[in-house]
Amino acid sequence: DQQVKQNSPSLSVQEGRISILNCDYTNSMFDYFLWYKKYPAEGPTFLISISSIKDKNEDGRFTVFLNKSAKHLSLHIVPSQPGDSAVYFCAARGRGAQKLVFGQGTRLTINP
Amino acid sequence: DSGVTQTPKHLITATGQRVTLRCSPRSGDLSVYWYQQSLDQGLQFLIHYYNGEERAKGNILERFSAQQFPDLHSELNLSSLELGDSALYFCASSVGGPSNYGYTFGSGTRLTVV
Repeated sequence: DQQVKQNSPSLSVQEGRISILNCDYTNSMFDYFLWYKKYPAEGPTFLISISSIKDKNEDGRFTVFLNKSAKHLSLHIVPSQPGDSAVYFCAARGRGAQKLVFGQGTRLTINP
Repeated sequence: DSGVTQTPKHLITATGQRVTLRCSPRSGDLSVYWYQQSLDQGLQFLIHYYNGEERAKGNILERFSAQQFPDLHSELNLSSLELGDSALYFCASSVGGPSNYGYTFGSGTRLTVV
C-alpha cells in the first residue's frame, strides 16, 4: 500500500526555468510533509517541509504547496540551477508516528 | 558530513550469506531508523529503535533483524541473502521521533548479492 506516490520518475528542465515536482498521498492523518534531496553516493538531505495546517511554505528558491482536498503537494524550484539536479523524495509523517513514509522519488535534471 | 556514520560503504557477498551493517547516529540522537532503497524503488521503512528499544517495524523480512546497543549505535543483520536483497540501506537518526524537519540520513551501505 503506497501511501505516498510520486508518479513522475524523471523530469528535465532548462536552467533558469521553473521545476515543479509533484506528490500525492492517501492518508488524511498525515500532519507534516517533507521534501528531501539526494545526490548520488550520498544520503537524502532535508530540503523543506510544510505542516498540514498550512497551504504554502517558502524558503528561498524553494516553495512547497499543499492541497489537502486533492491530497496533493508540489515542490517548486525557481529559478532552476544545475546544482538542483538530484533525486527528490516526498515524505509524510503521521501524527505520533514513529517513521516517515517516502515516495519513490523523482530524478530532476537541469539542462544548461 | 551529516554526522550519521554508516559502515561499510560497499559490500559484495554471495547468496545465502549473512552480513551486518552498522550505523552510528548523530551525537545526541536517541532514535535510529533503517530504510531500504531497491532499484527504482522509494525508501522503504524497515525498523525504528529509540534508546535501545524497538519502536516501529515496517515490511522487514524475517531474515532481517536489527538492534540498538547501549552506546546507541545500531546494527542491521541480513541473513540467507538473496539476489533481491541487493539495495542501498540507509540509516537515519533523530533526537526522538521524526521532527518537523524529519531526520538525518547517513550516506548508506550499498549491498550487492551475487
